[in-house]
Amino acid sequence: SSELTQDPAVSVALGQTVRITCQGDSLRSYYVSWYQQKPGQAPVLVIYGENNRPSGIPDRFSGSSSGNTASLTISGAQAEDEADYYCNSRDSSGNHHLVFGGGTKLTVL
Amino acid sequence: QLQLQESGSGLVKPSQTLSLTCAVSGGSFSSGSYCWSWIRQPPGKGLELIGYTYYSGTAYYNPSLKSRVSISVDKSKSQFSLNLSSVTAADTAVYYCARYNPGLTEDSFDIWGRGTMVTVSS
Repeated sequence: SSELTQDPAVSVALGQTVRITCQGDSLRSYYVSWYQQKPGQAPVLVIYGENNRPSGIPDRFSGSSSGNTASLTISGAQAEDEADYYCNSRDSSGNHHLVFGGGTKLTVL
Repeated sequence: QLQLQESGSGLVKPSQTLSLTCAVSGGSFSSGSYCWSWIRQPPGKGLELIGYTYYSGTAYYNPSLKSRVSISVDKSKSQFSLNLSSVTAADTAVYYCARYNPGLTEDSFDIWGRGTMVTVSS
């Protein structure tokens, strides 16, 4: 079982804002990173650190964290944002082990 | 632009060793700021870190796989490799190589290969 918990599925109407959450004790101490994965493709990093976007990631993607919960927010979701989203962070021991959340399937209606 | 490309056997028999290589091109493989990792994804399931290695060869492995895993670096060829022994059907997955930035504020897998499907079957 994963030490990071995500809702299995979330839906959003086109153009609306959606928040995808990730819960885990380690998030009180460590940053989370977020990955977007479309069917048949490799994951792509969309958010890392406090709230950083790699080059080429639209600014509608943002990240935040409070307590043991991290959130990925998509403001004005587009059809192309429909994908699986995974969070990743260090585990509770704080050592070298990193864990992924179980993933959230985002459907854009 | 740094690119990663996995290669290796797509079909492995049970109890044998799975071997994959990741070729790194278009950028610096020798930078001490990054690690080189293997991540897998069983069909229809989520992502699992297998382990990662520094350029120096110091490696870290997922505790659940540690007894069966080895990740090594070939500096002369700018590539790193994964060996997973005593495989079973549960090891069937898409295997990705990825660059890992271990900085406290970066801590992320920022560049991924396209992945390679490995099936364990007799």
